[in-house]
Amino acid sequence: EVQLVESGGDLVQPGGSLRLSCAASGFTIGNYWMHWVRQAPGKGLVWVSRINLDGSVTTHAGSVKGRFTISRDKPRNTLYLQMNSLRAEDTAVYFCVRDFTGPFDDWGQGTLVTVSS
Amino acid sequence: QAVLTQPPSASGTPGQRVTISCSGSDSNIGRDYVSWYQQLPGAAPKLLIYKNNQRPSGVPDRLSGSKSGTSASLAISGLRSEDEADYYCVVWDDRLSGYVFGTGTKVTVL
Repeated sequence: EVQLVESGGDLVQPGGSLRLSCAASGFTIGNYWMHWVRQAPGKGLVWVSRINLDGSVTTHAGSVKGRFTISRDKPRNTLYLQMNSLRAEDTAVYFCVRDFTGPFDDWGQGTLVTVSS
Repeated sequence: QAVLTQPPSASGTPGQRVTISCSGSDSNIGRDYVSWYQQLPGAAPKLLIYKNNQRPSGVPDRLSGSKSGTSASLAISGLRSEDEADYYCVVWDDRLSGYVFGTGTKVTVL
């Protein structure tokens, strides 16, 4: 069974940093493109970042480019999102997603990031 | 202005057919596949339709997707109470070099 479990969400001050993790089980993340998608409270879905099979290609949404970095650790079968220079508008639930056919086929339960002073 | 526009709400009585539209442009729907997702309250989204009109296993055939030009739509036939949820379209946008989600449509079963 495919499982994605996000962690690392927290309350952080504007300008601060946070690293989100997504532990995968039931499949090998190195065999799939992976994504981060976020959802601000009461708002719609927003794609954030993606990474290819071997981690050599990453793409980020314009709103986070230069501040967020997606990466993967194959031995740990874990996906990461390093978030720097956080802003109030980054407050959201962050979902880890596996790309199979969809492109967003399998989703984790999400982890909440709150940026506030 | 949103890149992909959906009606904010749609409704119907049990058994009726509801259609949700997703309007885009030549840089997104006009050149790539559209997917559709359902999000129940408090839950993660679920894939309903991929590659414009393909259903993953487990998704009933009363849900169908279509695309024409720069617009796409999701149809729900035989509406049920469990269909009450938010629905989103998504597609790759060549101009933005990223995926864009629609504005979302809340479906209410009357």
